[in-house]
Amino acid sequence: QITLKESGPTLVDPTQTLTLTCTFSGFSLTTSGVAVGWIRQPPGKALEWLAIIYWDDDQQFSPSLKSRLSITKDTSKNQVVLTMTNMDPVDTATYHCARRLNNSGFFDYWGQGTLVTVSS
Amino acid sequence: QSVLTQPPSVSGAPGQRVTISCTGSSSNIGGGYDVHWYQHLPGTAPRLLIYGDNNRPSGVPDRFSGSESGTSASLAITGLQAEDEADYYCQSYDSSLGGSYVFGTGTKVTVL
Repeated sequence: QITLKESGPTLVDPTQTLTLTCTFSGFSLTTSGVAVGWIRQPPGKALEWLAIIYWDDDQQFSPSLKSRLSITKDTSKNQVVLTMTNMDPVDTATYHCARRLNNSGFFDYWGQGTLVTVSS
Repeated sequence: QSVLTQPPSVSGAPGQRVTISCTGSSSNIGGGYDVHWYQHLPGTAPRLLIYGDNNRPSGVPDRFSGSESGTSASLAITGLQAEDEADYYCQSYDSSLGGSYVFGTGTKVTVL
């Protein structure tokens, strides 16, 4: 059974750095072609892709957010960590992590998401 | 801003057929990148409905189907049911600006 679960703070001050952890099970990020991505959804708005890390440690980032994002993996813990700097109230959103199936372009399993509010 | 455009809402009576369009450009759908579709109820994990233009994961009813033409794609739901009321998103890959995964603007399906 494949599961993903996001964890992290629910409230972040403006200008601070957000760190979110995706803990997954049922697959390995050492398997060729596998990747884990982050997608967010601001309240009442559309899904927005943020970042992805591949089995070979390659990474991609949303062009509009690239300067603020970093992504790492810990294969021994089955975790992927997303960091977003200089948080702003417009970054208030539900943040999801999801698995990208081997060498595909889609996300087949998703976490339920975690709501992050940016406010002082 | 989403680079894939969808209608904000569509509606239909139970049993009817509805379609949702997804309009892109030459750097994504028109560039040969596959289109995928998700069903999403707020507060839950998005569910993969269609992948690779018109393939359904196990467990997805055959009432859902996808198609693609040029720089656009469509999701069709036939035999609309009350449980289909949800938000739907298309997704593809865009080769501009170094490459990125892109989602559509989202469509709310309402069952009348």
